[in-house]
Amino acid sequence: TQLLEQSPQFLSIQEGENLTVYCNSSSVFSSLQWYRQEPGEGPVLLVTVVTGGEVKKLKRLTFQFGDARKDSSLHITAAQPGDTGLYLCAGGGMEYGNKLVFGAGTILRVKS
Amino acid sequence: DTEVTQTPKHLVMGMTNKKSLKCEQHMGHRAMYWYKQKAKKPPELMFVYSYEKLSINESVPSRFSPECPNSSLLNLHLHALQPEDSALYLCASRKTGGATNEKLFFGSGTQLSVL
Repeated sequence: TQLLEQSPQFLSIQEGENLTVYCNSSSVFSSLQWYRQEPGEGPVLLVTVVTGGEVKKLKRLTFQFGDARKDSSLHITAAQPGDTGLYLCAGGGMEYGNKLVFGAGTILRVKS
Repeated sequence: DTEVTQTPKHLVMGMTNKKSLKCEQHMGHRAMYWYKQKAKKPPELMFVYSYEKLSINESVPSRFSPECPNSSLLNLHLHALQPEDSALYLCASRKTGGATNEKLFFGSGTQLSVL
């Protein structure tokens, strides 16, 4: 059982559609990050959230951290082909030491 | 400078070869990481160095040998690898201390093929 359950695993949508990716856990995290990765490249940090209930916006991307700091969501409005990639959530906290707990990832394909 | 630089970008090696992967960062980060990643899967942690000392080894086979010569450099020495070791090897670093510093800065990776 994954400590961070990420869903959906795969998402194929048309340009202009909206989508939401979820990251859920029964554990509390002191921070949660979202990364985006393109094939053959390293993950790139999109956002870090640390406060329960926090909402952060990055252009068409909206990130939310649950009130209890156990879950997070990434919402993309009007998806574009350039949003295609692997999206990873990752959680951290004192009990994990220097480790980050990664979700299984969401492969997003946006068709033009 | 907010980059983590990895070399080489691509590496093909035979099962009897010895090679090294290199990673460098100049952000003053004192925690550095090696991850292994298979296609379309999340990164799997291999090693963590904290203040130049090995703090985590995730039961990695001894054919992988990490080294941290100083606070900016991280190496991964490879010897007698198997074809199933073919993967993208990622280096990452982060500041230490506090929830806002739990984020990782990744390099672009070394795509390794073992023949």
